Amino acid sequence: NAGVMQNPRHLVRRRGQEARLRCSPMKGHSHVYWYRQLPEEGLKFMVYLQKENIIDESGMPKERFSAEFPKEGPSILRIQQVVRGDSAAYFCASSPYREYYNEQFFGPGTRLTVL
Amino acid sequence: SQQGEEDPQALSIQEGENATMNCSYKTSINNLQWYRQNSGRGLVHLILIRSNEREKHSGRLRVTLDTSKKSSSLLITASRAADTASYFCATEGSGGSNYKLTFGKGTLLTVNP
Repeated sequence: NAGVMQNPRHLVRRRGQEARLRCSPMKGHSHVYWYRQLPEEGLKFMVYLQKENIIDESGMPKERFSAEFPKEGPSILRIQQVVRGDSAAYFCASSPYREYYNEQFFGPGTRLTVL
Repeated sequence: SQQGEEDPQALSIQEGENATMNCSYKTSINNLQWYRQNSGRGLVHLILIRSNEREKHSGRLRVTLDTSKKSSSLLITASRAADTASYFCATEGSGGSNYKLTFGKGTLLTVNP
């Protein structure tokens, strides 16, 4: 059973370009979460999605950032017109249907560098 | 908003010694989880303790939770060089947005051979 997959693992973009980060959840998991980790910091929640629905995007910047989790295919975190401050590690996590508690399984992350 | 905060920020010990890391948080939680992150890598889930539990063990790991003090500790016994990593606590809040994990800044543990 493969774990959470993220690609690319490293992404370099110049200011103003678009960055697309992909996340394939674990098999059977229908909940996806995106977190951002700035250097020397802990992870910060960005967005929570279920298939075809954004449940909570309160942690995501209002502009330039968007996320989706289509019926088919991976979840995508899109950052338009990247700036240097977007340089960070972006982690995706997934979980199965939860009843009592939420153990999230994390992918290896995508390290975005904006030049 | 709640926040997990670990201390110490950095800890350096010799192989074979025990390592204790602490975590404090601010609001009600469903559970508290500990993760490990090796340098430049993803997070590995170590252990989850629910709000109605006080202590939990997993191999060389022992986690305690004191909800009255809003604090938790992670003890790694008989440490090994391979335990060198950053350790984060993450809290899942109670209430409507309990799917969010709130992470602290982590404790950087260095185990010297």
